Amino acid sequence: DIQMTQSPSSLSASVGDRVTITCRASQGIRNDVGWYQQKPGTAPKRLIYAASSLQSGVPARFSGSGSGTEFTLTISSLQPEDFATYFCLQHNSHPRTFGQGTKVEIK
Amino acid sequence: EVRLVESGGGLVQPGGSLRLSCAASGFTFSDPYMDWVRQAPGKGLEWVGLIENKHTGYITEYAASVRGRFTISRDDSANSLYLQMNSLKTEDTAVYYCATDSSGSPENWGQGTLVTVSS
Repeated sequence: DIQMTQSPSSLSASVGDRVTITCRASQGIRNDVGWYQQKPGTAPKRLIYAASSLQSGVPARFSGSGSGTEFTLTISSLQPEDFATYFCLQHNSHPRTFGQGTKVEIK
Repeated sequence: EVRLVESGGGLVQPGGSLRLSCAASGFTFSDPYMDWVRQAPGKGLEWVGLIENKHTGYITEYAASVRGRFTISRDDSANSLYLQMNSLKTEDTAVYYCATDSSGSPENWGQGTLVTVSS
């Protein structure tokens, strides 16, 4: 199985900060990665697909990059509504696997 | 508007069975692959499995943790997705989500249904 190692597991940031979350795959997975945001008590929401494509309706402050084994989700200017937990997912091969999650908290 | 509504969750004893349903509306249900994803209380997301569409003969894939115990099926005529769960274990306790699969990953998600496995 492909392991997705996500870091950091949590971070504290202020409104307006630039935030970067990383996922490393245990083997090359081309650009077969999605990124998700989840707020407490709600279903996950897809932000990014195919590593760098912005989901329709998602603000442009979210961006994704990477290919092969290293992937990044960046929030260019953190907004109050962005405090949540973020997950990466690889879909290069079965079983699909999620990263462990990154909780973004208010500083 | 895409809408997915899961149902069928509840309390079940270890070793028991449960069948979850996911009612879909707002899109052509027969087109996309469909996923099941679960989340244990206070934990991260775990992909459970998916079912492809009629064009591939409804191929199914599963996580190792559920393979042989869970079965995914779909009824395109009823716009419904199912998850049959047998030989349930306490570690299967989770909120179960269904989702449409687009560009290779889950896109639209339901609100989830809670399954509790406990004696």
